[in-house]
Amino acid sequence: ETGVTQTPRHLVMGMTNKKSLKCEQHLGHNAMYWYKQSAKKPLELMFVYSLEERVENNSVPSRFSPECPNSSHLFLHLHTLQPEDSALYLCASSQDLLAGGPGANVLTFGAGSRLTVL
Amino acid sequence: AQKVTQAQTEISVVEKEDVTLDCVYETRDTTYYLFWYKQPPSGELVFLIRRNSFDEQNEISGRYSWNFQKSTSSFNFTITASQVVDSAVYFCALSELGFWGANSKLTFGKGITLSVRP
Repeated sequence: ETGVTQTPRHLVMGMTNKKSLKCEQHLGHNAMYWYKQSAKKPLELMFVYSLEERVENNSVPSRFSPECPNSSHLFLHLHTLQPEDSALYLCASSQDLLAGGPGANVLTFGAGSRLTVL
Repeated sequence: AQKVTQAQTEISVVEKEDVTLDCVYETRDTTYYLFWYKQPPSGELVFLIRRNSFDEQNEISGRYSWNFQKSTSSFNFTITASQVVDSAVYFCALSELGFWGANSKLTFGKGITLSVRP
C-alpha cells in the first residue's frame, strides 16, 4: 500500500453509536492531520499530531476523540454524534520542514471517510 | 489570522478554453506557503503546487501555470486548453509555520468547482 489510506470509506451511524475512523500513512511522514469537509464550507482543520504528540486542537467538540499510537496511524473516535457532524473526514500526513526537500510540509491526503449521522 | 478567499464558486467552460482560478490571501507573517490542491469526484485532494513567500517566480507545468503576486496577495491558477478531466474542485490554501516550528497547518479557501464540457 502506498500513500494515505482511510477506512472505512463510508460510515452510517446513529447518534448513540460509537465508531472509529482509521488513517494509515506509508510515506514515512512525521505529522498527521484530521480535516472536516462539510458541504459549502471550507475544509476545517480539526487535529494535528506531530511526532505522535497532539499540537493542535481547533475547538473540536469532545464527541470527537483523536488517537495517534505511532507516526503511521491516526484514529478519530466518534461517540454520540449529531446529524450536523455528517461530513467527509479527511486525513493527511506531511514531513516537517526541517527535513527539507521539495516534499517537505506538503500535505498528502487520503480519499476520506464519508460519515452520515442519522 | 490567516484567510484565503476564492471568490469564484463555480466556473463552467467548454473544452480547450483557457480558465483562470483566482485566489487572494491574507496573512501577517512574512514567511508562508501557498498551495493549490485539486479534488476530483473521488474525494482525494491532490497536491498541485507549493510556493513559498520568497519566491515570486511564476511557474508553468504543462497546461498549468501559476501567477504569484505579493503586491496584490494573489496566487492565481490558469489552466490552458482545458480538458474534461480537469473537472474538479480546486482549493487554494495558505500555510503559516506553527509555533512548533516545522509542521504547518493549512487554511483553505472554499474551493472553486470547475466543470469542463466536451
